[in-house]
Amino acid sequence: GAGVSQSPSNKVTEKGKDVELRCDPISGHTALYWYRQSLGQGLEFLIYFQGNSAPDKSGLPSDRFSAERTGGSVSTLTIQRTQQEDSAVYLCASSPARPGTGETQYFGPGTRLLVL
Amino acid sequence: AQSVTQLDSQVPVFEEAPVELRCNYSSSVSVYLFWYVQYPNQGLQLLLKYLSGSTLVKGINGFEAEFNKSQTSFHLRKPSVHISDTAEYFCAVSGKGGGSNYKLTFGKGTLLTVNP
Repeated sequence: GAGVSQSPSNKVTEKGKDVELRCDPISGHTALYWYRQSLGQGLEFLIYFQGNSAPDKSGLPSDRFSAERTGGSVSTLTIQRTQQEDSAVYLCASSPARPGTGETQYFGPGTRLLVL
Repeated sequence: AQSVTQLDSQVPVFEEAPVELRCNYSSSVSVYLFWYVQYPNQGLQLLLKYLSGSTLVKGINGFEAEFNKSQTSFHLRKPSVHISDTAEYFCAVSGKGGGSNYKLTFGKGTLLTVNP
């Protein structure tokens, strides 16, 4: 079946512009996660959704970052006034189970963001 | 909170040789342990995970890992590698139960390069 998809696959933007990254999780998966993968930093947790609500936004690096999920499905990560340090690969994952249960997270291919 | 240390950032090996990728973790609670693999320009894929029970866990593609609670380790092994195993491997941990321990915390990754 279809896996997690993300769009765009690559995004080049200028410093100060806003960007929107999209994630389509596996159908029926209630949990959705965003991570950032950058050189030397590994994978950093950004935010977690259960259904449409985000019980944990603690990983968002600044108030320039926000995310929403609608219909218990598609999620959008928005970065306002992008900075060069925002350049990274943004990964989305989904899971059919609640977190803390040893659940497998299924990852999308990521969006590679480059801020010039 | 949990943390993960992958002791080797890069491991070069020859085809058909055995390999061990090392992972140590730190946690104040009981944990679930995971190994994910990331092929170039792709998302992460689960190789195997330890939830409970037998400490030797077998995964896909001939990989296995052993949970050692006393040494807080979860090393990944394969007796004979193939060129196609060339990828980055991530060890990850999440805590059991509620609170903020649910987050999947990743190591910085080990790049396995299999040479002919």
